[in-house]
Amino acid sequence: DGGITQSPKYLFRKEGQNVTLSCEQNLNHDAMYWYRQDPGQGLRLIYYSQIVNDFQKGDIAEGYSVSREKKESFPLTVTSAQKNPTAFYLCASSVAGTSVTGELFFGEGSRLTVL
Amino acid sequence: DQQVKQNSPSLSVQEGRISILNCDYTNSMFDYFLWYKKYPAEGPTFLISISSIKDKNEDGRFTVFLNKSAKHLSLHIVPSQPGDSAVYFCAASAGITGGGNKLTFGTGTQLKVEL
Repeated sequence: DGGITQSPKYLFRKEGQNVTLSCEQNLNHDAMYWYRQDPGQGLRLIYYSQIVNDFQKGDIAEGYSVSREKKESFPLTVTSAQKNPTAFYLCASSVAGTSVTGELFFGEGSRLTVL
Repeated sequence: DQQVKQNSPSLSVQEGRISILNCDYTNSMFDYFLWYKKYPAEGPTFLISISSIKDKNEDGRFTVFLNKSAKHLSLHIVPSQPGDSAVYFCAASAGITGGGNKLTFGTGTQLKVEL
């Protein structure tokens, strides 16, 4: 089955620790995204990548880092510099360039809680 | 600055009746609009979309209406079913940039369909 796999589903972190959230897709999509969901704030874009070895900051990139070494993978690292990291993190992908639908396909999310 | 606004955080309707979810936007560059449905602890799933060259798009029980002059769109669900109970996000795009699609999301409306 094609889709997006995020892991872990739940993660607990102590303050001051970096954590990495995994996102893998087998949809052969060029573009991948990381969003964060907080109560009452909808989904906010953290980082996105349109092609391997390239990525751009979204609206709330401070305290986060990403890499895109493979088309299938777009891991997100939540660093200790992120002041309020407790949130639900969503990874998504889309067909790039030729797509006219604008549709993003989402993973099931990872809930990070900082203790 | 919230460019996509869903002013009703929640909506409750009876089974079989019409559900109307509203969305307003401020960025006149937005030319593609999407609705996503989200269940708790899951990723959003695409529901329906509309291009700015249209004013209506219908898919089964779901219809999206776009009023460009008012910068307003709405999602109609007829008839509403208990399984429609979820959070609905409105999203907008300023066009495919040749390599991906950044979506700006609203804050969501929690729909509850009661028996």
